[in-house]
Amino acid sequence: KAGVTQTPRYLIKTRGQQVTLSCSPISGHRSVSWYQQTPGQGLQFLFEYFSETQRNKGNFPGRFSGRQFSNSRSEMNVSTLELGDSALYLCASSLAFGSGKDEQFFGPGTRLTVL
Amino acid sequence: GQSLEQPSEVTAVEGAIVQINCTYQTSGFYGLSWYQQHDGGAPTFLSYNALDGLEETGRFSSFLSRSDSYGYLLLQELQMKDSASYFCAVSSNTDKLIFGTGTRLQVFP
Repeated sequence: KAGVTQTPRYLIKTRGQQVTLSCSPISGHRSVSWYQQTPGQGLQFLFEYFSETQRNKGNFPGRFSGRQFSNSRSEMNVSTLELGDSALYLCASSLAFGSGKDEQFFGPGTRLTVL
Repeated sequence: GQSLEQPSEVTAVEGAIVQINCTYQTSGFYGLSWYQQHDGGAPTFLSYNALDGLEETGRFSSFLSRSDSYGYLLLQELQMKDSASYFCAVSSNTDKLIFGTGTRLQVFP
């Protein structure tokens, strides 16, 4: 069974631009969660999608948004990029909604650098 | 709110035993998970404890005390490949998985 895939793996943008990251979950998984990882901050929960609906959201500004498609693939978008958005963005898939009670399967992440 | 505390770094030698502690503050607690992440890699699931006690999976064991809001990950017979970051994470009735800041384990020969 193929794992979670994320594209692109690396991205360099400049301040003010916007970016879209993509995540394909494991086949059969309907929940996709997104996390931001920065040194010293661990993994910060961004949001979780299940059956094309955002079911949960972390404490991030509205510049961070996402969506999920009928095939469970998910995208996250960051608009008006700031230097502080430089991070590794990880997505994770699981069978059921409610991240934590189910094992989360993580993708390799997208390394975003904002210049 | 929710918060977790774990040591930032732990060092040990091959063959030794190391314990990584995690204390948490959260309401509506469901369980405590542990994830391993090698440098440049994705986090991978190690264990999940919802009930008090010790759960063993090979060389790794995880413990939870709900009354003390405390858990730990025990790694035995350490190998060089165990050098990685280890994250505890709590799940609760917020349905969010909240991670600690991670403990970097360095195993020396």
